[in-house]
Amino acid sequence: EDQVTQSPEALRLQEGESSSLNCSYTVSGLRGLFWYRQDPGKGPEFLFTLYSAGEEKEKERLKATLTKKESFLHITAPKPEDSATYLCAAGREGGNKLTFGTGTQLKVEL
Amino acid sequence: GAVVSQHPSWVICKSGTSVKIECRSLDFQATTMFWYRQFPKQSLMLMATSNEGSKATYEQGVEKDKFLINHASLTLSTLTVTSAHPEDSSFYICSARDLRDRGHEQYFGPGTRLTVT
Repeated sequence: EDQVTQSPEALRLQEGESSSLNCSYTVSGLRGLFWYRQDPGKGPEFLFTLYSAGEEKEKERLKATLTKKESFLHITAPKPEDSATYLCAAGREGGNKLTFGTGTQLKVEL
Repeated sequence: GAVVSQHPSWVICKSGTSVKIECRSLDFQATTMFWYRQFPKQSLMLMATSNEGSKATYEQGVEKDKFLINHASLTLSTLTVTSAHPEDSSFYICSARDLRDRGHEQYFGPGTRLTVT
């Protein structure tokens, strides 16, 4: 059975304090590893897809990396507007569905 | 690009009535759409996968007669909650997949908050 585990569950940072969120996955035949951002009361917003180990993608203050067992979302010099829940999900080759982690709730304070 | 809309954004209905939620892909064709349910402070729970022109595939434990899904066109899927009860109150989110994308990313709608009184 595919599994995705995210840690920590919650993270509180000061503005400018860089950190990383972890996503561990167990998927037979990874098609893609996806990162989403979700604000309260809204649907998830797509951030990145990573396809193979060693791949990295960046968007503003966010950088996602992938190994054969986990993915990291690095947040550099975060700002209060980066506060949200970050979800990762894994898709299996030949499959339709995504298996989601439970998310990391990030709060960035001034 | 890759914008998905949902309507309504919130709805209140009385117990025993039915409610229809629409999900539209605005700038791409979606042969597959997905319906999720999310409880407070929890992750997304997949309810069903909807393919254009065919019957939806429901996840284990989801009542197909209660949650009717129709995917009549490449840009529209609907979820009808029939004979709603208070325990059906939840946040319902749809997503759509653009098959032109290599990774088959799912793009999510803004969600519909359903409250059954």
